[in-house]
Amino acid sequence: GAGVSQSPRYKVAKRGQDVALRCDPISGHVSLFWYQQALGQGPEFLTYFQNEAQLDKSGLPSDRFFAERPEGSVSTLKIQRTQQEDSAVYLCASSLAAREFIADTQYFGPGTRLTVL
Amino acid sequence: KNEVEQSPQNLTAQEGEFITINCSYSVGISALHWLQQHPGGGIVSLFMLSSGKKKHGRLIATINIQEKHSSLHITASHPRDSAVYICAVPYSGGGADGLTFGKGTHLIIQP
Repeated sequence: GAGVSQSPRYKVAKRGQDVALRCDPISGHVSLFWYQQALGQGPEFLTYFQNEAQLDKSGLPSDRFFAERPEGSVSTLKIQRTQQEDSAVYLCASSLAAREFIADTQYFGPGTRLTVL
Repeated sequence: KNEVEQSPQNLTAQEGEFITINCSYSVGISALHWLQQHPGGGIVSLFMLSSGKKKHGRLIATINIQEKHSSLHITASHPRDSAVYICAVPYSGGGADGLTFGKGTHLIIQP
């Protein structure tokens, strides 16, 4: 079946603009994760959903970052009033999480490269 | 928050060499992930392991839970193995958490 998809693949925003990044997880996957990967760095955890519940948002860098997954499938990461330091690749991953609280393989999307000018 | 250290950061080897990449972490975990990322490419999960050893083709991953250490080995390395290899563990040590990643090991296999 289809893997994790993300859109747009590339986004250029002017400083101060709001952006919305979309993630379509693998169908049936319970868990969904957002990560931020700055150039030349490893990914950093942002937030995590189990179905529609946002269980952990401790990695969100500021209150300008907001994520939702209202129906437990597609998720949107929104960044308000973008700043240059927000420039990064935003990665989404999903996992089946067949057993609650038990680690499962995460399947990553291709990422959205955000450039803030 | 779990801290992850990987070594080496960069590794260049000749085709056919046996490769070892090391990972250590600070907080006890339920499982550790090894991931591969090609330049400009997405991240692919290679292994998730919680004990012992796993093998897939020329890749072998081992973990020592007591010592909080894991290794990724590549046998008979090939230029197509050139990529960044990343070790990741649950953010807070738990099972289904988001992941904390190491900085990655940039591997180049020369023909």
